[in-house]
Amino acid sequence: DGGITQSPKYLFRKEGQNVTLSCEQNLNHDAMYWYRQDPGQGLRLIYYSQIVNDFQKGDIAEGYSVSREKKESFPLTVTSAQKNPTAFYLCASNDPSRRGGGQPQHFGDGTRLSIL
Amino acid sequence: RKEVEQDPGPFNVPEGATVAFNCTYSNSASQSFFWYRQDCRKEPKLLMSVYSSGNEDGRFTAQLNRASQYISLLIRDSKLSDSATYLCVVIMQGAQKLVFGQGTRLTINP
Repeated sequence: DGGITQSPKYLFRKEGQNVTLSCEQNLNHDAMYWYRQDPGQGLRLIYYSQIVNDFQKGDIAEGYSVSREKKESFPLTVTSAQKNPTAFYLCASNDPSRRGGGQPQHFGDGTRLSIL
Repeated sequence: RKEVEQDPGPFNVPEGATVAFNCTYSNSASQSFFWYRQDCRKEPKLLMSVYSSGNEDGRFTAQLNRASQYISLLIRDSKLSDSATYLCVVIMQGAQKLVFGQGTRLTINP
């Protein structure tokens, strides 16, 4: 079955440490996205990528970095510069080229990041 | 003003009741609209797209009012399993980004 796989499911970060969250999809989607969700809040866009080797900042990119070397993979690094990293991180993908764009996104099951 | 606003609730209704909630959006260039459902500590899942003419999927009806810039979700004959947070999502014309509302929490009571 096609889908989006995020790992790990739970992650703990020590102060001053960078951590990387994995997101892999086998849906052959061109676009991939990273969101952060805080308790009782909606999703906020961190970074997105519409094509391999290209990505754009979202609304809250500070303290995060991404890469898109392969179509299937869009890892997110939470750097030590992100002072409040505790949140639920969701990766998503879609195929904007279909039917003129505006396609809904499919989500992975998320990674919960906490500070030790 | 937020781009997409929802009443966060919580809405507590008895099983079998009909419940409706709205979502307003600020950008008139918004093109595509969706309702997602998110269970506690889980990822959002697409519930339904919202079409200009309104659309129905079983007990769920979605409507769009472009003049007043809101979309609505109606749930009839509510089930205990409908308890979740419902997220309103908007895409602006020509944009790739989805803009999420903060979600409306719904609890169906037996």
